[in-house]
Amino acid sequence: KAGVTQTPRYLIKTRGQQVTLSCSPISGHRSVSWYQQTPGQGLQFLFEYFSETQRNKGNFPGRFSGRQFSNSRSEMNVSTLELGDSALYLCASSPFLGGGELFFGEGSRLTVL
Amino acid sequence: DQQVKQNSPSLSVQEGRISILNCDYTNSMFDYFLWYKKYPAEGPTFLISISSIKDKNEDGRFTVFLNKSAKHLSLHIVPSQPGDSAVYFCAAASNAGNMLTFGGGTRLMVKP
Repeated sequence: KAGVTQTPRYLIKTRGQQVTLSCSPISGHRSVSWYQQTPGQGLQFLFEYFSETQRNKGNFPGRFSGRQFSNSRSEMNVSTLELGDSALYLCASSPFLGGGELFFGEGSRLTVL
Repeated sequence: DQQVKQNSPSLSVQEGRISILNCDYTNSMFDYFLWYKKYPAEGPTFLISISSIKDKNEDGRFTVFLNKSAKHLSLHIVPSQPGDSAVYFCAAASNAGNMLTFGGGTRLMVKP
């Protein structure tokens, strides 16, 4: 069974630009969530989707947005990039609605210059 | 406000001995507690979890203990192996979804 696939794996952007990251969950998993990992703040929850509906949202500004498609694939978008948005963005999927047992992808590493 | 804390950033243990990783939390509403392991350049991997209605869960060499009154959980690895060397994250979740609150991580080094 293929794991969670995230694209692109690495990208470099400049301040003020926007970025879209993509996530393909494990087949059959309908829950997709996103996390940001930085050295200073650790792993922080961004949002969670289930069956195309956002179920939870973390404490991030409105520049961070996401969506889920009918095939459970998900995208997240960050607009007006800031230097502090440089991070590893991790996507995770789960077959369950709760419980926290997530399967993570390898992440998309974003560098903002 | 850190709801989940891992106070030890690193831990070094000899192969074959016990590794004990600790985690404290403040939110009484958490229903599940989990441990994830992370190798460099990989995403976190689920290791073991425990429901708030239990005080112990065991899976092979890994045991998680939960002390609700102290709001404390620990992960025991016995015996420790060099392949266990990784960063271990404690996390907490509620029944409301898969929104995890992570601790800062503890880097475990198991020396041969």
